[in-house]
Amino acid sequence: EVQLVESGGGLVKPGGSLRLSCAASGFTFSDAWMSWVRQAPGKGLEWVGRIKSKDDGGTTDYAAPVKVRFTISRDDSKNTLHLQMNSLKTEDTAVYYCTTDPGSRGYWGQGTLVTVSS
Amino acid sequence: QTVVTQEPSLTVSPGGTVTLTCASSTGAVTSGYFPNWFQQKPGQAPRALIYSTNNRHSWTPARFSGSLLGGKAALTLSGVQPEDEAEYYCLLYYGGAQLWVFGGGTKLTVL
Repeated sequence: EVQLVESGGGLVKPGGSLRLSCAASGFTFSDAWMSWVRQAPGKGLEWVGRIKSKDDGGTTDYAAPVKVRFTISRDDSKNTLHLQMNSLKTEDTAVYYCTTDPGSRGYWGQGTLVTVSS
Repeated sequence: QTVVTQEPSLTVSPGGTVTLTCASSTGAVTSGYFPNWFQQKPGQAPRALIYSTNNRHSWTPARFSGSLLGGKAALTLSGVQPEDEAEYYCLLYYGGAQLWVFGGGTKLTVL
């Protein structure tokens, strides 16, 4: 059974940092391109960014609102995806989902809530 | 800024057929945008339905089909069931910038 389990969400002050993790199981994580998607309360989905597999270069791409502030990384030895979020703003408040990059796999986690508030 | 546009809301009767569309501010949507479709019910994570225009996932019911229609990506639900009431999102890939962009979502009501 495929599982993507996010962790690390919580309350953080504006300007602060937070690191999210996503533990993957049930598929060959090292082969998969992985993405983060977020959803602000009552709003639609927003693609945050993705990381390619190491075989495909391991490079990252980001949406404009988070570029420079967010960093996606992966630890294939632990089947884990990370999202390092710095200089957080109130508008970063959202549920953050870990997903396989859009395509034939289609796996999603249940999400973790990040609240940025003073 | 690239904008992906969907109908804000649609209503369909049980057993009926409805088509949701997905347009790009950059022009006609082609297979090169690798359109994806997702379903989200209240309080739940999104669920992938369609990838690369018209490919169903193993869990996607056959009543869901994807296509290109009049320069847009389209999701057609045939024989709609009450449980299909949900928010539907499309997602397009912009290869030049190497990024994905979601549409604003369509709230589908089955009434």
